[in-house]
Amino acid sequence: DAGVTQSPTHLIKTRGQQVTLRCSPKSGHDTVSWYQQALGQGPQFIFQYYEEEERQRGNFPDRFSGHQFPNYSSELNVNALLLGDSALYLCASSFGRALYNEQFFGPGTRLTVL
Amino acid sequence: SQKIEQNSEALNIQEGKTATLTCNYTNYSPAYLQWYRQDPGRGPVFLLLIRENEKEKRKERLKVTFDTTLKQSLFHITASQPADSATYLCALAGYGGSQGNLIFGKGTKLSVKP
Repeated sequence: DAGVTQSPTHLIKTRGQQVTLRCSPKSGHDTVSWYQQALGQGPQFIFQYYEEEERQRGNFPDRFSGHQFPNYSSELNVNALLLGDSALYLCASSFGRALYNEQFFGPGTRLTVL
Repeated sequence: SQKIEQNSEALNIQEGKTATLTCNYTNYSPAYLQWYRQDPGRGPVFLLLIRENEKEKRKERLKVTFDTTLKQSLFHITASQPADSATYLCALAGYGGSQGNLIFGKGTKLSVKP
């Protein structure tokens, strides 16, 4: 049983460009959350998707958007990249939105903005 | 604003000893508190969840306490082993509107020396 998978593993972009990151949740999971983790920091919540809709959003600008597909996979899009967007982007999946459900994290996508 | 502090950035202990990590929070009343382990370049791995009405929870060599009066959680690893070396993150989750929002601390890097 594959766990949470993310692609690509690493990505290098320049300022002003746009990027799309992808996540496939663990089999049987229907909820996907995205986090940004800067070096030396804990993960910061970006948003959560459930039933193909954004259900919760953290303190991130509209440049960060997402999508969830009928097969529960998800994409994170970031427009007009800034140097400060360089980070590890983590996807977490669970069954249901409740946070007493165990969150399974993927290995992350390392984004570098030059 | 909500704030989570983990006692130190790094903790060095000798193999066989008990490691104790601290998570303090302010301006928040979490319904759940979770502990995760994160290895370099990997996503966090869920370890334990404790609810606000639970004082203590155990899993094998791990023990978590949750004191809502002190606004503090303690995470213990007994009979520590070099394989326990990793960064440990605490995360808080609230009720209702913040269902999808896990708030993470910066983590404590634990090194267990043989």
